[in-house]
Amino acid sequence: KQEVTQIPAALSVPEGENLVLNCSFTDSAIYNLQWFRQDPGKGLTSLLLIQSSQREQTSGRLNASLDKSSGRSTLYIAASQPGDSATYLCAVVRDDKIIFGKGTRLHILP
Amino acid sequence: EAQVTQNPRYLITVTGKKLTVTCSQNMNHEYMSWYRQDPGLGLRQIYYSMNVEVTDKGDVPEGYKVSRKEKRNFPLILESPSPNQTSLYFCASSLRGTNTEAFFGQGTRLTVV
Repeated sequence: KQEVTQIPAALSVPEGENLVLNCSFTDSAIYNLQWFRQDPGKGLTSLLLIQSSQREQTSGRLNASLDKSSGRSTLYIAASQPGDSATYLCAVVRDDKIIFGKGTRLHILP
Repeated sequence: EAQVTQNPRYLITVTGKKLTVTCSQNMNHEYMSWYRQDPGLGLRQIYYSMNVEVTDKGDVPEGYKVSRKEKRNFPLILESPSPNQTSLYFCASSLRGTNTEAFFGQGTRLTVV
């Protein structure tokens, strides 16, 4: 059974720093991996989607990488800002099902 | 504006009283799904639908029903709610299956007493 793990569960960093969030999954036979952002009291917003054939995707200050063979993905956030404070979730997709990790709660200190 | 709309946003009900949470999307998406989010357990998929009249179970379907009679709507039905179904529920849609970007609704916070 596919399991998705995100480490750390929570992270606080000063504004302006670059940071990396980690996601690991147990079954490498995935269709794609997605990173989401969740703000308190709100739904999820899709950030990046990496197809299984891709190694990375970039959007603005965000860069996500995928290493299927090792079952790992990272989300790199450059020059962090207070507005980046949120919970970040990764999800892997296979057989029309989506399995989420429990998220990393990120707090950017002004 | 492209969006996924859930109603109601908040609901308190009593054990055993049937309820429906509605979900509607205006993006002509084929794939729709329901999730519940619980502290310590994260988001778990309840049911999903690949297209009209096509639905399938996710990881935690017990106690829930869905229907997909129209492309835009995907209601979640709790025939006899129980306190363990107290949770935050999300509906999501994507253009074609799970290989395209998912759009989420704002969530429905359900309390069953």
